[in-house]
Amino acid sequence: AQSVAQPEDQVNVAEGNPLTVKCTYSVSGNPYLFWYVQYPNRGLQFLLKYITGDNLVKGSYGFEAEFNKSQTSFHLKKPSALVSDSALYFCAVRDHTGANNLFFGTGTRLTVIP
Amino acid sequence: NAGVTQTPKFRVLKTGQSMTLLCAQDMNHEYMYWYRQDPGMGLRLIHYSVGEGTTAKGEVPDGYNVSRLKKQNFLLGLESAAPSQTSVYFCASTPTSARGNEQFFGPGTRLTVL
Repeated sequence: AQSVAQPEDQVNVAEGNPLTVKCTYSVSGNPYLFWYVQYPNRGLQFLLKYITGDNLVKGSYGFEAEFNKSQTSFHLKKPSALVSDSALYFCAVRDHTGANNLFFGTGTRLTVIP
Repeated sequence: NAGVTQTPKFRVLKTGQSMTLLCAQDMNHEYMYWYRQDPGMGLRLIHYSVGEGTTAKGEVPDGYNVSRLKKQNFLLGLESAAPSQTSVYFCASTPTSARGNEQFFGPGTRLTVL
């Protein structure tokens, strides 16, 4: 069975500082990993994904994520946080059935403090 | 392109009432999904469809039914609403079975069952 864990419900960071939102995964076979962001009263927006290749994946809005196979982690990062980055972030892993279902973590609320 | 749209945006039901949530996508995607989002639980898959005329159960299907009579539409029905079905419902779609494809989400429907 596949699953993801987001160990932090809440992350606070000062504007301009680097941010990290953590995600660990469990899956048999090669992982297909995704990050989504949800702004208040909105649907989920795709940020980035890891399929294969470079362990550092770059995505939208200056975000990147580092895939670490030995630690089964896929942490989301940004070098310099903006107040507008404040949102709910979800990590997800794709299953290996033909339905391509996503299994989501419980989400991490990021607050960037001015 | 409108992407993925959901109707209605908000709804309040009384226990025992029925309703249908409509999801429409104009991207010619094959796969469509219904999720529910509850605080602290992330998104959980209710039902999904891998093509017109097909549906399948997800993680939390009880109390819900779905239909995919047209490729662009995916309907979620509640036959007899219960307070436990108070949630935010999201529809999503993805083009094909390729595991690297991300899912595209609608804006959500906030449902309250009294």
